[in-house]
Amino acid sequence: QQPVQSPQAVILREGEDAVINCSSSKALYSVHWYRQKHGEAPIFLMILLKGGEQKGHDKISASFNEKKQQSSLYLTASQLSYSGTYFCGTDHSSNTGKLIFGQGTTLQVKP
Amino acid sequence: KAGVTQTPRYLIKTRGQQVTLSCSPISGHRSVSWYQQTPGQGLQFLFEYFSETQRNKGNFPGRFSGRQFSNSRSEMNVSTLELGDSALYLCASSLIFREKLFFGSGTQLSVL
Repeated sequence: QQPVQSPQAVILREGEDAVINCSSSKALYSVHWYRQKHGEAPIFLMILLKGGEQKGHDKISASFNEKKQQSSLYLTASQLSYSGTYFCGTDHSSNTGKLIFGQGTTLQVKP
Repeated sequence: KAGVTQTPRYLIKTRGQQVTLSCSPISGHRSVSWYQQTPGQGLQFLFEYFSETQRNKGNFPGRFSGRQFSNSRSEMNVSTLELGDSALYLCASSLIFREKLFFGSGTQLSVL
């Protein structure tokens, strides 16, 4: 039931782009994305609801493909501040708040 | 507005003991979720409470329990601690269930 994230880790240079994928074996109602820096609490990035919605702010955006039961997080023109571990959280029901997180993708942006 | 507050920040216990962790959500938030975070397992869902009712429970043994009070503050208890319970325990609150989560800094539990 835990969603699968890929890749597990990625190293970028500043200005490069990255895509992080999150796949589920069960139908999805919504997908959350969070970023956690070392020693800090996870921080909310965005929520996507079923309907194939794409959201974004600044240079970070995400898509949700309900048919494929997956979501992708897009980081464009990466900055040093983007470094951290990215988690997707999946919600499989319309009436519960049970959010199951993937294993995380560690992103390192180098100068 | 104060964020999610978890106490204590660090805790060292020995096997067999029990421990209680506390979480004060953001004012006005009625939903509280608990997660266990370990390097190998990532964020594992423990429970979710809304208006003093446990709405969901993860796949953890009965040694893990929790509750939520009328002011939305929540506690989780782990009895008969095992070495494998060593982890960062994160609490998260949201206005209602299914909204974005605001995480606390966590309680780092070490079981010796």
